Amino acid sequence: QITLKESGPTLVKPTQTLTLTCTFSGFSLSSSGVGVGWVRQPPGKALEWLALIYWDDDKRYRPSLRSRLTITKDTSKNQVVLTMTNVDPVDTATYHCAHKPSGTYGVLGYWGQGVMVTVSS
Amino acid sequence: QSALTQPPSASGSPGQSVTISCTGTSSDVGAYNYVSWYQQHPGKAPKLLIFEVNKRPSGVPDRFSGSKSGNTAALTVSGLQAEDEADYYCSSYAGSNNLGVFGTGTKVTVL
Repeated sequence: QITLKESGPTLVKPTQTLTLTCTFSGFSLSSSGVGVGWVRQPPGKALEWLALIYWDDDKRYRPSLRSRLTITKDTSKNQVVLTMTNVDPVDTATYHCAHKPSGTYGVLGYWGQGVMVTVSS
Repeated sequence: QSALTQPPSASGSPGQSVTISCTGTSSDVGAYNYVSWYQQHPGKAPKLLIFEVNKRPSGVPDRFSGSKSGNTAALTVSGLQAEDEADYYCSSYAGSNNLGVFGTGTKVTVL
């Protein structure tokens, strides 16, 4: 059974760095073709891809946020960490991590429940 | 990458069918047969309904079906049930050097 759970601060001040951790079970991020992605959803708005890390440490980022995002993995801990620098109130959103199955393209099969992050002074 | 275009809302009575469109470009929807659909109930995580245009993960009822023509994909929900009332998002693969792209979302109301 695949599960993912996000953790991190619920309130961050503008200009600070946001660090979110995705802890997962039921799959290995060292298996060929597997990935873990981060998606956010501002209140009342649509889903937005943020970043994706593959089993081989290849990474993809949302172009408009590339300079502010870093995604890393710790395979031994079954964790993926997303760091976002210089946050702004527009970054207020629920942040989800999700599992990309092997052999699929653009698919997020299992999702974490998400963590609501508010950026406010 | 711009978001895929979906109608803001759709509705139908119980037992009826509703179809949601998802329009992209020749760089995403039109280029690949890798369109997915997600269902999201309020306050919940999205759930994968359809992948690779028309494939259903195990456990998803066959009332949910997908199709694609050119740059536009579609999700049809047949035999609408009360629990189908939710937000629906399409998503498309956009190439190996890119992340995917989501749609703008459609709120389905069961009348």
